[in-house]
Amino acid sequence: EAGVTQFPSHSVIEKGQTVTLRCDPISGHDNLYWYRRVMGKEIKFLLHFVKESKQDESGMPNNRFLAERTGGTYSTLKVQPAELEDSGVYFCASSQEGGTGEWAGTEAFFGQGTRLTVV
Amino acid sequence: AQKVTQAQTEISVVEKEDVTLDCVYETRDTTYYLFWYKQPPSGELVFLIRRNSFDEQNEISGRYSWNFQKSTSSFNFTITASQVVDSAVYFCALMGYAGNMLTFGGGTRLMVKP
Repeated sequence: EAGVTQFPSHSVIEKGQTVTLRCDPISGHDNLYWYRRVMGKEIKFLLHFVKESKQDESGMPNNRFLAERTGGTYSTLKVQPAELEDSGVYFCASSQEGGTGEWAGTEAFFGQGTRLTVV
Repeated sequence: AQKVTQAQTEISVVEKEDVTLDCVYETRDTTYYLFWYKQPPSGELVFLIRRNSFDEQNEISGRYSWNFQKSTSSFNFTITASQVVDSAVYFCALMGYAGNMLTFGGGTRLMVKP
């Protein structure tokens, strides 16, 4: 069974440009999460999809970030325009469906991350 | 608010030594879940263990063991007889009962030298 897949693995862009990150979750996983780790800091939650709906986007830093999950399958995270402080590693994770609290113990499978460098 | 602290940013040991990675957490939830993830050089986060707050039994899996102590809000991870392949960054994480997100510690980089 394929794991969580992220594309690209590494992206270098100039400040002001647009970058789109993609995540393919494990097949059948309704829950999809985006996290990121900026240099020297903790891995931070960005948002959570249940199928195609945004369940929680409280971690999105600002309106330059747009996440979509059309059809409840793969997800994209677009940064437009990119700033220097957006550099970091962006992780995607997925987990099986479950209710709040019940699923909270469900294991989330992570992808290998996309390393974004904004110069 | 939830918080996870991994005070050790980097640990270096020689192969076959035992090593303990510390994790201290803060939460107001009475039910919560604790996790450890391993991040090898390839970059992905690999799930190691999940622990429910109401189950304080220590767990052993091969050379890995975990010591969960609610009284001190700690969830420490011990590798016995470390190997070079254990070299990685290890993250401790917390999830509240009603939440849907993981709160991570800053990670501990473990280097096992031959």
